[in-house]
Amino acid sequence: SQKIEQNSEALNIQEGKTATLTCNYTNYSPAYLQWYRQDPGRGPVFLLLIRENEKEKRKERLKVTFDTTLKQSLFHITASQPADSATYLCALGGDYKLSFGAGTTVTVRA
Amino acid sequence: GAVVSQHPSWVICKSGTSVKIECRSLDFQATTMFWYRQFPKQSLMLMATSNEGSKATYEQGVEKDKFLINHASLTLSTLTVTSAHPEDSSFYICSARGGTPENGEQFFGPGTRLTVL
Repeated sequence: SQKIEQNSEALNIQEGKTATLTCNYTNYSPAYLQWYRQDPGRGPVFLLLIRENEKEKRKERLKVTFDTTLKQSLFHITASQPADSATYLCALGGDYKLSFGAGTTVTVRA
Repeated sequence: GAVVSQHPSWVICKSGTSVKIECRSLDFQATTMFWYRQFPKQSLMLMATSNEGSKATYEQGVEKDKFLINHASLTLSTLTVTSAHPEDSSFYICSARGGTPENGEQFFGPGTRLTVL
């Protein structure tokens, strides 16, 4: 069966450090992978997309890698800030649909 | 740009009643809209995909007679939960995408919290 697993339910880090989140998947062949941020009681907000033929993407303090051999994506938040505290979702895409992982909740301590 | 709104943001209703949730794309034309349901600490589960002017496509296990979806225009889709029961209580989120977006990005609404008593 298809499965999307995000490494841990919660991640607590000190301000200024780098947060690294993992997204592993099985029985999928996604054309692209996306990362979203979700705050409590709100809808997800798009952050980054990486295609199957791309290895790495960056946007400001965010970096995403995509290894289709390992079936894994890593999401990095560098120089983390308390405002980065939220739940981060990975989503696999193909055609027009997205399949989401359960998310990792990041808490950045000041 | 690319703003999606939902109305209402929360609703409480009695068991057996029907509830309608609206999803609007405010500054772009959404050829495809999606409806998701999310339970606490769980991932978003796709319920159905709707294309403007045609019938919605429901995911396996989602009752189409219970969750009525209408996508009558390029900026509006509605989800009606008919004869709601307490187990239908959840966070319902819609998303929208334009004609041929380059990156497959979906723009999400803020969600609607439904509580059925």
